[in-house]
Amino acid sequence: AQKITQTQPGMFVQEKEAVTLDCTYDTSDPSYGLFWYKQPSSGEMIFLIYQGSYDQQNATEGRYSLNFQKARKSANLVISASQLGDSAMYFCAMRDRGFKTIFGAGTRLFVKA
Amino acid sequence: NAGVTQTPKFQVLKTGQSMTLQCAQDMNHEYMSWYRQDPGMGLRLIHYSVGAGITDQGEVPNGYNVSRSTTEDFPLRLLSAAPSQTSVYFCASQARGTNEKLFFGSGTQLSVL
Repeated sequence: AQKITQTQPGMFVQEKEAVTLDCTYDTSDPSYGLFWYKQPSSGEMIFLIYQGSYDQQNATEGRYSLNFQKARKSANLVISASQLGDSAMYFCAMRDRGFKTIFGAGTRLFVKA
Repeated sequence: NAGVTQTPKFQVLKTGQSMTLQCAQDMNHEYMSWYRQDPGMGLRLIHYSVGAGITDQGEVPNGYNVSRSTTEDFPLRLLSAAPSQTSVYFCASQARGTNEKLFFGSGTQLSVL
């Protein structure tokens, strides 16, 4: 069965520093996609970054990068130069070839001034 | 630019009442899904659909029914509400494509007393 695990319920980071949010996954499907979403206190879900299972290079989107280690089944999100507006819940998600997407429990990030 | 429209935004029910959460998307997306979000548990998949007339169960389907008669609409029905169904519900849609992100509705906060 598919599973997404985020083991950090809460994280603190100093403004302008980098932070890594952990995500591990489990699937027997060779074709899958990994996503990160941000949920600020307003409640909306914001797409951040995508990594395909066959992608050779780690995905990057501005200050966001995904550290994809396929053999270890991990897909950690790295946020560089943290900003106060990065304080939010962050969810890792995995989509299988049938387009079913499941989510991890999330990590709440607090950025300190 | 409607995207995914969810109604209502807030709802209070008494135990045993029934109701339907509405979800509509105007992006011609084949894939639609319903999630519930509870503190500490992330988003859990209730039901999903890969096209009109096709639905399948997610991680937590009990107590919920869905149907997909058109591409645009994917209503979620609670036949007999229970306090355990108190949650925030999100509808999402996705285009067919391996790297396509989920588009979310604004959510429904449901309280069952």
